[in-house]
Amino acid sequence: EMQLVESGGGLVQPGGSLRLSCAASGFTFSDYWMSWVRQAPGKGLEWVASIKRDGGEIYYVDSVKGRFTVSRDNSKNSVYLEMNSLSAEDTALYYCARDPAMGKDWYFDLWGRGTLVTVSS
Amino acid sequence: DIQMTQSPSSLSASVGDRVTITCRASQNINNYLNWYQQKPGIAPKLLIYAASNLQSGVPSRFRGSGSGTDFTLTITTLQPEDFATYYCQQSFSTLFTFGPGTKVDVK
Repeated sequence: EMQLVESGGGLVQPGGSLRLSCAASGFTFSDYWMSWVRQAPGKGLEWVASIKRDGGEIYYVDSVKGRFTVSRDNSKNSVYLEMNSLSAEDTALYYCARDPAMGKDWYFDLWGRGTLVTVSS
Repeated sequence: DIQMTQSPSSLSASVGDRVTITCRASQNINNYLNWYQQKPGIAPKLLIYAASNLQSGVPSRFRGSGSGTDFTLTITTLQPEDFATYYCQQSFSTLFTFGPGTKVDVK
């Protein structure tokens, strides 16, 4: 069964840091772009970051540039999101998602269950 | 950045109804538009990609159409399991953006 499992969320103080992990199984991880998408409580979806199959291209939403870093380890079938200088606005459920990136068609066809990040003092 | 809007923001419908949700992009995105369904407490699920392509395993009552700036998701015959929130997402730019969502609830 194809699966993505996020971990690493929790309660962190404003200005703090957190590292999220996403473990993939059931498919060839290195064939896919991987992304992080977040959802603040009661709100809509917001794309956060994406990383190419080999890690050679990375994109971020403006609001996290300079604070968040996405990386991957294809030998461990895992993608990571390092989050620094966290603020209350970063409080959200963070989903890991897979993107086949076939030709110019980009879409998120497999999602994890998410890991909750709460930024509060 | 490309902004996405959806209308309506919510609608009430009955089982068997035909439901139409509209998504508009702030600029031409060709057909790089995807649709997702999300139920409370559950991760989003891909329904339609590239405006009109049905994702594997998704019932054929879900139909996507449109190109350029205006897109539509139609549920031809609403089923009980279709009450959910629907999001569009543009993939023309790698700075992906989602629409604000349309909640479909029971009339």
